[in-house]
Amino acid sequence: DSGVTQTPKHLITATGQRVTLRCSPRSGDLSVYWYQQSLDQGLQFLIHYYNGEERAKGNILERFSAQQFPDLHSELNLSSLELGDSALYFCASSVHGANVLTFGAGSRLTVL
Amino acid sequence: AQSVSQHNHHVILSEAASLELGCNYSYGGTVNLFWYVQYPGQHLQLLLKYFSGDPLVKGIKGFEAEFIKSKFSFNLRKPSVQWSDTAEYFCAVSSSGGSYIPTFGRGTSLIVHP
Repeated sequence: DSGVTQTPKHLITATGQRVTLRCSPRSGDLSVYWYQQSLDQGLQFLIHYYNGEERAKGNILERFSAQQFPDLHSELNLSSLELGDSALYFCASSVHGANVLTFGAGSRLTVL
Repeated sequence: AQSVSQHNHHVILSEAASLELGCNYSYGGTVNLFWYVQYPGQHLQLLLKYFSGDPLVKGIKGFEAEFIKSKFSFNLRKPSVQWSDTAEYFCAVSSSGGSYIPTFGRGTSLIVHP
């Protein structure tokens, strides 16, 4: 157990739907990062939050959004889902800034 | 923008064989380098990291990596692999002058036969 908790572990939904993935960072970590892992794209950075504020954006689609709440947990919202959104979504946390990340177990999203 | 290239996508070895996984990055400034490992069904975890100092870095489970600045490389090595080393291995780079967000390679799948 890394200390980073992600829910749900598995999610199956249909095209056009909306889902929310949740991440609780390791105790004491203020930064949360979201990555998407797919077979053809590898591990792609989506977005970074630090202590409730968005700090950096990567290849995140406009259909996707995220936020970090005062208790430091984060949610990644994926809307108008397409088949190509099927992937493993990882959350990672760190004390501050980047460098060493602690990853959660991931949420596997399947869009049918 | 920084990028990472892992040359071997799939590697199959027998136990006791030596391992070397290639990793090259593109960024001309100061870099931080990482190798992460993902065992089947588990989360990514840090294997080793290089920030500065001795370019030969030792990590957990007998792994080591060497930072060669002139070659922009950070190859992972292990003299004798075990069946339990079967996993996906990811090289990553971040930089203080470029993006502090770790950029990951596509990963190398290692299968070790007993």
